[in-house]
Amino acid sequence: EAQVTQNPRYLITVTGKKLTVTCSQNMNHEYMSWYRQDPGLGLRQIYYSMNVEVTDKGDVPEGYKVSRKEKRNFPLILESPSPNQTSLYFCASSLYWGANEKLFFGSGTQLSVL
Amino acid sequence: QQQVKQSPQSLIVQKGGISIINCAYENTAFDYFPWYQQFPGKGPALLIAIRPDVSEKKEGRFTISFNKSAKQFSLHIMDSQPGDSATYFCAAEFTSGTYKYIFGTGTRLKVLA
Repeated sequence: EAQVTQNPRYLITVTGKKLTVTCSQNMNHEYMSWYRQDPGLGLRQIYYSMNVEVTDKGDVPEGYKVSRKEKRNFPLILESPSPNQTSLYFCASSLYWGANEKLFFGSGTQLSVL
Repeated sequence: QQQVKQSPQSLIVQKGGISIINCAYENTAFDYFPWYQQFPGKGPALLIAIRPDVSEKKEGRFTISFNKSAKQFSLHIMDSQPGDSATYFCAAEFTSGTYKYIFGTGTRLKVLA
């Protein structure tokens, strides 16, 4: 089944404890991105990647890191999480970039930073 | 200039009624306007999309109306059903040097049985 898989679904952590949210897609998509969803603010893009080893900042990149060493994986790293990073996070992918392609989303990761 | 403004924030409609959600944008470089539907506990999923050279697109009960001069577009859900109850996001994409999706703030739709 074609899908974007995120792990974990739920995560509670404390301020300053490094964490990684994994994202993997099995559709051979070139484009991958991360979003955070907050009430009243919609979905905001954190980082995106157009292909392996090519990443760029979205609208809210502060406090986050990403890497794209393999085409299928695009982990989101929070080196020193803070309470304002408590949010619902989504990974998404599409076949290509810049071609009006459909985004496929994962099921989300609910992160709480205490 | 990269914002997409969406309204209303929430909407309650009777079964069989018409649901209308509106979005407005400022950046004329946007060249693709999708709508995503999100059910509780799920990620958003593409519902319908339109390009700026088309004024209307219909897929089943869902229609996008696009007004390029006013820089507005809207989603109409005809014969709304309880199963349509979800959060809807409009979005805009542009590829001027970067590839970005800009999402609206979302509309929570509840269709009463």
